[in-house]
Amino acid sequence: RKEVEQDPGPFNVPEGATVAFNCTYSNSASQSFFWYRQDCRKEPKLLMSVYSSGNEDGRFTAQLNRASQYISLLIRDSKLSDSATYLCVVNSYYGQNFVFGPGTRLSVLP
Amino acid sequence: NAGVTQTPKFQVLKTGQSMTLQCAQDMNHEYMSWYRQDPGMGLRLIHYSVGAGITDQGEVPNGYNVSRSTTEDFPLRLLSAAPSQTSVYFCASSSDTDYGYTFGSGTRLTVV
Repeated sequence: RKEVEQDPGPFNVPEGATVAFNCTYSNSASQSFFWYRQDCRKEPKLLMSVYSSGNEDGRFTAQLNRASQYISLLIRDSKLSDSATYLCVVNSYYGQNFVFGPGTRLSVLP
Repeated sequence: NAGVTQTPKFQVLKTGQSMTLQCAQDMNHEYMSWYRQDPGMGLRLIHYSVGAGITDQGEVPNGYNVSRSTTEDFPLRLLSAAPSQTSVYFCASSSDTDYGYTFGSGTRLTVV
């Protein structure tokens, strides 16, 4: 089983739609969780951290379920500029480090 | 405020050649890592460091060496390039694993 798995995608949605991404992780000892976005041919950039209580940043909401080892990202009122690949990231087995999921590509269509 | 700087941005090597990918950060971060990104494979950890003088292997370390003589610099050395090392390489740094990583803009390496 891969350490971090995500919806395979791609997701093609119209502007204004709500879209949800799912992620599962295998390391039950993980303590830190993040969502990154990566634009085509660019470096990954931190979108938001994910906390146990859930957290929201504008149109973005992240949820963590430790019991199910599951993380989600909800994007409301999608914009064309949200088109990117979204990466789920958790603590790695390799010491103070992170493991990245394969990513889910989102295309927001006009 | 440069953040994480990687050089070169592009490189073409012949099989068997060696080279060093440079990475420098100006944020006084203790944690630094090297990842490679291949289509369909996501980002995979090559080597990482938790401070000057301390390095360790990640998921795919074979064919690569690292050193961390200063907090700022974390170069990645390809010992004898192989076509399987054709990839995009990202260097990243962090002050604390609770805050995630900041990435450099990447090095696109092609080995022919």
